[in-house]
Amino acid sequence: NAGVTQTPKFRVLKTGQSMTLLCAQDMNHEYMYWYRQDPGMGLRLIHYSVGEGTTAKGEVPDGYNVSRLKKQNFLLGLESAAPSQTSVYFCASTEQGDTEAFFGQGTRLTVV
Amino acid sequence: KNEVEQSPQNLTAQEGEFITINCSYSVGISALHWLQQHPGGGIVSLFMLSSGKKKHGRLIATINIQEKHSSLHITASHPRDSAVYICAVSSMDSNYQLIWGAGTKLIIKP
Repeated sequence: NAGVTQTPKFRVLKTGQSMTLLCAQDMNHEYMYWYRQDPGMGLRLIHYSVGEGTTAKGEVPDGYNVSRLKKQNFLLGLESAAPSQTSVYFCASTEQGDTEAFFGQGTRLTVV
Repeated sequence: KNEVEQSPQNLTAQEGEFITINCSYSVGISALHWLQQHPGGGIVSLFMLSSGKKKHGRLIATINIQEKHSSLHITASHPRDSAVYICAVSSMDSNYQLIWGAGTKLIIKP
């Protein structure tokens, strides 16, 4: 039982490049989330999904897109990376909206 | 004003000391979470509670719904407890999205 797995763990992008972060969970959870964590700030919600085929905007969605084509996967895309998107990204999942949260190990993204 | 506030922001203590981290919130909640993040590491859920008290090993979490306040206690603290401790609430008013505190950085010196 792997829990929540994020790939990749590290990535360096040039400004304007695109990439996709993958989050996979094997707990059959309905809810999945993408957060970013910046120094001195709490986690901020980028997008979330309450079930397969659904997505919704969080607190800081601009510059990101997501897809949840399969229940176990939640993809975060950056179409044109900017230095302001340098951050650590965490994926999380919960069985329902107010149950225990399980997190991936994080992806450290640097945009130069 | 942040909806979830933690105190202190930073805490340094000697090994063996009793540690208390506080969390106050201003929204209606269905649950409150305490999580731990080691330097450069992932985030691990410690407790989820909606009333009363929970204990796991040397960690104790309490919540007072009327006062909208929770505390995380660590007994007989150890250097391996050094981490950032984060409080988050499942808000009933925002589709159960988690609202996060800024975290408390705890350093336990040997």
